[in-house]
Amino acid sequence: DVRLVESGGGLVQPGGSLRLSCAASGFTFSTYWMNWLRQAPGKGLEWVANIKEDGTEAKYVASVRGRFTISRDNTNNALYLQMHSLRVEDSAVYYCARDVRAVDSPYNCFDPWGQGTLVTVSS
Amino acid sequence: DIVMTQSPDSLAVSLGERATINCKSSQSLLYRSNNKNYFAWYQQRPGQPPKLLIQWASTRESGVPDRFSGSGSGTDFTLTINSLQAEDVAVYYCQQYYSVPLTFGGGTKVEIK
Repeated sequence: DVRLVESGGGLVQPGGSLRLSCAASGFTFSTYWMNWLRQAPGKGLEWVANIKEDGTEAKYVASVRGRFTISRDNTNNALYLQMHSLRVEDSAVYYCARDVRAVDSPYNCFDPWGQGTLVTVSS
Repeated sequence: DIVMTQSPDSLAVSLGERATINCKSSQSLLYRSNNKNYFAWYQQRPGQPPKLLIQWASTRESGVPDRFSGSGSGTDFTLTINSLQAEDVAVYYCQQYYSVPLTFGGGTKVEIK
């Protein structure tokens, strides 16, 4: 079974940093683009970033560019999101999601998704 | 950025009746070289992560009941749920994957009348 398990969420003060992790299993991790998405409480879905199979290319939504960094460890089947200069508006459940198909393209939809990890930015 | 606009925001449908959700994109999602619409639908049940229902505007994912169907092309798309079941209560989202940033509609909440 394909499985994605996020961890690392928690409460952080504005301006602080946090590193999220996603443990992947059940598929050949190194052959898929991977994604981080988020959902503020009671709100809709927002794609945050994605990263190429070999980690050499990444794309970001404008609101996090320069503050967040997506990375991956294909040896350990892990995806990461390093978040700096966190703002109240970054508070959300953060989901790790795999591209639905293993093609070398950042333009894809997402399946499956993990259960998410909650990040709360508050003083 | 491509803006995705869903309508309605919510709807209540009787069990066994049809639900129709619309999504409009701010630019065409049809890639002419392969004649595919880079468009997907998701279902998010309460307390759960989203689940991919349909990709390429009309291709149902494996295991998705055939009462779910997607249609449309270019900028206008529709998700139809025929014979609504209790387990279909959820929020439904559309998504474009034609260009980065990948963007979603605001969601449509489907409830039982």
